[in-house]
Amino acid sequence: AQSVTQLDSHVSVSEGTPVLLRCNYSSSYSPSLFWYVQHPNKGLQLLLKYTSAATLVKGINGFEAEFKKSETSFHLTKPSAHMSDAAEYFCVVSRLYYGGSQGNLIFGKGTKLSVKP
Amino acid sequence: DAGITQSPRHKVTETGTPVTLRCHQTENHRYMYWYRQDPGHGLRLIHYSYGVKDTDKGEVSDGYSVSRSKTEDFLLTLESATSSQTSVYFCAISVGRNLSNYGYTFGSGTRLTVV
Repeated sequence: AQSVTQLDSHVSVSEGTPVLLRCNYSSSYSPSLFWYVQHPNKGLQLLLKYTSAATLVKGINGFEAEFKKSETSFHLTKPSAHMSDAAEYFCVVSRLYYGGSQGNLIFGKGTKLSVKP
Repeated sequence: DAGITQSPRHKVTETGTPVTLRCHQTENHRYMYWYRQDPGHGLRLIHYSYGVKDTDKGEVSDGYSVSRSKTEDFLLTLESATSSQTSVYFCAISVGRNLSNYGYTFGSGTRLTVV
């Protein structure tokens, strides 16, 4: 069975400092992994996705994530935080039913990122 | 989000009344999903559809039903609303079977309050 754990419910950084949001996954299949961002009172937007190609995945707004199979991790990073990055971030793993005919997304519980001026 | 709209955006209803939320897409995508979002739980799948008249339950389906009579519309009905169904509801669509190549596109959400 697939599952995903976001290790921090809240992360606070200062503007201009690096961002690290941690995610560990469990999957009996080779997983597809995603990061979504949700700004206050908005829907969810796809930041980036890992689909068994390059292990370092670059997304929008300067974010990137590295798939580490040995550590079952998919941490999200950004070199320099901006005020507009303040939002909630969700790590997501796809769940493939037997036969792979349909997948569903399993969401982590979210990490709220605060950015201080 | 472009191509997917949810209605209403906000609703307050009384306990015991039926409520229907609508998700409409213009992308002609086959797969549609209903999620609820609650603090500390992330998003949890309620029901999904893999085609017209083809639906299946997600992990939190009790008290909810869905219908999909047209490709573009996916309706979520709370048969008799309870306070535990106060939540933000998101509809999502995906373009293909192989999710390794696609993510989901989400609607802007419906905030439902049951009093």
